[in-house]
Amino acid sequence: EVQLVQSGAEVREPGESLKISCKGSGYSFTSYWIGWVRQMPGKGLEWMGIIHPRDSHTTYSPSFEGQVTISADKSVSTAYLQWSSLEASDSAMYYCARRNGGTDDYWGQGTLVTVSS
Amino acid sequence: DIQMTQSPSSLSASVGDRVTITCRASQNINIYLNWYQQKPGKAPKLLIYAVSSLQSGVPSRFSGSGSGTDFTLTISSLQPEDSASYYCQQSYTIPYTFGQGTKLEI
Repeated sequence: EVQLVQSGAEVREPGESLKISCKGSGYSFTSYWIGWVRQMPGKGLEWMGIIHPRDSHTTYSPSFEGQVTISADKSVSTAYLQWSSLEASDSAMYYCARRNGGTDDYWGQGTLVTVSS
Repeated sequence: DIQMTQSPSSLSASVGDRVTITCRASQNINIYLNWYQQKPGKAPKLLIYAVSSLQSGVPSRFSGSGSGTDFTLTISSLQPEDSASYYCQQSYTIPYTFGQGTKLEI
């Protein structure tokens, strides 16, 4: 069974750093892209970027380029999304999803990030 | 970026109704159009890919059509469990943008 399991909810203060994770299982992790999607409270889905775990080739949406860093460690079948300096506006639910051809066919359960002083 | 515009933003319908949600792309995206369903507090779920192909396990009352810039998601006979938000997404070019969503109340 294909599964993407994300790390738990996080609460941080503005200016702090954060790295959340997405662990894949039940399939060949290095054969599929993994993407990240943001959903701000009460809002829609925003596509952030994508990484291929085989070689860590990464492409970002222009809206998120320079704001976050996407990485992966194929040895532990895990993709990551990180911030070096959080802002209150980064408070949102973040989802990872497996890219299969032209679709996001399996999704993680989401990680809620709250940034507040 | 390709802009995806859904309509309506919300709608209310009854069990057994036929419902149509539309999605318009700001440029030609061929058949690279997906639909997702999201229930409150849950991750999105893939319903339809490549305009009209039903994801495994999705009920046949869901269907999709269209090409180029104009697409539709149709639910032929609404069920109570269809109450959710629905999003279109283009997979033609990065960034793979989503529509703003349609909230469907039963």
